[in-house]
Amino acid sequence: DVQLLESGGGLVQPGGCLRVSCAASGFFFNNYDMSWVRQAPGRGLEWVSAISKSGDNTYYADSVKGRFSISRDNSKNTVYLQMNSLRAEDSARYYCVRGYSRLYDYWGQGSSVTVSS
Amino acid sequence: DIQMTQSPSSLSASVGDRVTITCRASQDITNELGWFQQKPGKAPKRLIYTASSLAGGVPLRFSGRGSGTEFTLTISRLQSEDSATYYCLQHNTDPPTFGQGTKVEI
Repeated sequence: DVQLLESGGGLVQPGGCLRVSCAASGFFFNNYDMSWVRQAPGRGLEWVSAISKSGDNTYYADSVKGRFSISRDNSKNTVYLQMNSLRAEDSARYYCVRGYSRLYDYWGQGSSVTVSS
Repeated sequence: DIQMTQSPSSLSASVGDRVTITCRASQDITNELGWFQQKPGKAPKRLIYTASSLAGGVPLRFSGRGSGTEFTLTISRLQSEDSATYYCLQHNTDPPTFGQGTKVEI
């Protein structure tokens, strides 16, 4: 079975940094682009970032460009989202999703990030 | 960015009703649209891909139609377990963008 397991969320102060990870299993990870989608409490879904199969190409929403960085380690079947200069409005549940220009077929359960002093 | 306008934002219906949710794109996205169901406290689940293809394991009462700028998700005979928020997503043009969601109450 395909599984996406996020980890690394938590409470961080404004201006701080945090890295969330997503460990994938049950499929050939190297064959798929991967995305991060977030959802602020009580709000809708927002696509945040994506990375190509090889990791050569990365994509970002304007709201996080220059502050967030996506990467992947295909030897570990893991995708990462490094979040710097965090703001209160970045508080959300961050979902790891298989796909970018297509698919979005499997979602993790999410990792909660709270930015607060 | 492409704007995805979903309507209605919420609706209340009864078991057995036929329900239709609409998503309009601000520009042509061909058929690069998916529909997702999200229940409280859970991750979204893909229902429909490429506008009209039913994802595996999804009940046949769900269907999607449309192309270009106008799309619909129809639940033919509403069941109690269909109570959820539904989102459309366009992935034709970067950045991918979601509709604002439609809350379906039963």
